[in-house]
Amino acid sequence: AQKVTQAQTEISVVEKEDVTLDCVYETRDTTYYLFWYKQPPSGELVFLIRRNSFDEQNEISGRYSWNFQKSTSSFNFTITASQVVDSAVYFCALSEVNTGFQKLVFGTGTRLLVSP
Amino acid sequence: DGGITQSPKYLFRKEGQNVTLSCEQNLNHDAMYWYRQDPGQGLRLIYYSQIVNDFQKGDIAEGYSVSREKKESFPLTVTSAQKNPTAFYLCASSEGLYNEQFFGPGTRLTVL
Repeated sequence: AQKVTQAQTEISVVEKEDVTLDCVYETRDTTYYLFWYKQPPSGELVFLIRRNSFDEQNEISGRYSWNFQKSTSSFNFTITASQVVDSAVYFCALSEVNTGFQKLVFGTGTRLLVSP
Repeated sequence: DGGITQSPKYLFRKEGQNVTLSCEQNLNHDAMYWYRQDPGQGLRLIYYSQIVNDFQKGDIAEGYSVSREKKESFPLTVTSAQKNPTAFYLCASSEGLYNEQFFGPGTRLTVL
């Protein structure tokens, strides 16, 4: 069965610190997709990244970067030089493609608090 | 602007009443989804629809019902059979089978 584990419930940092959010997943499929979403206090989930299981290249987008390692079933997310606006709950999610539809399995989320 | 709208933002219901949550999208997406979020937890899938006039149960469909009469609309009814309906409800849509889902702003339902 699919499972996504975000062991860090809450992380507190001071502005400009770097922070890494961990995501470990379980799946028996060889083809799958991984996602990160941001949920600010307003409640709406904002899509950040999608990565398929055949692409292990790390990705950087501005202050955000993602490290995908199939060997450890991890898809970690790093924010460089954090800002107060980064404060939110971040969800990692997994989607298997053999189910015939895109079923997302979410982790329980990591709450990031960035203080000035 | 393209996007997903959900209404109302806050909803209060008395026990024993059915209530319908609205979800509309103008992204021309075929697939739509309903999730439930409880405090400190991830999202759980209630129902999904891949095409008009077709929908399937997700992991926690008991006590809920949906319809998909139009491509743009996917309303969710929380029935009196749902034992613990107080939660945050999120609607989403996606273009294809492997694409990311886009989410609406959510509806917070409180049962009094």
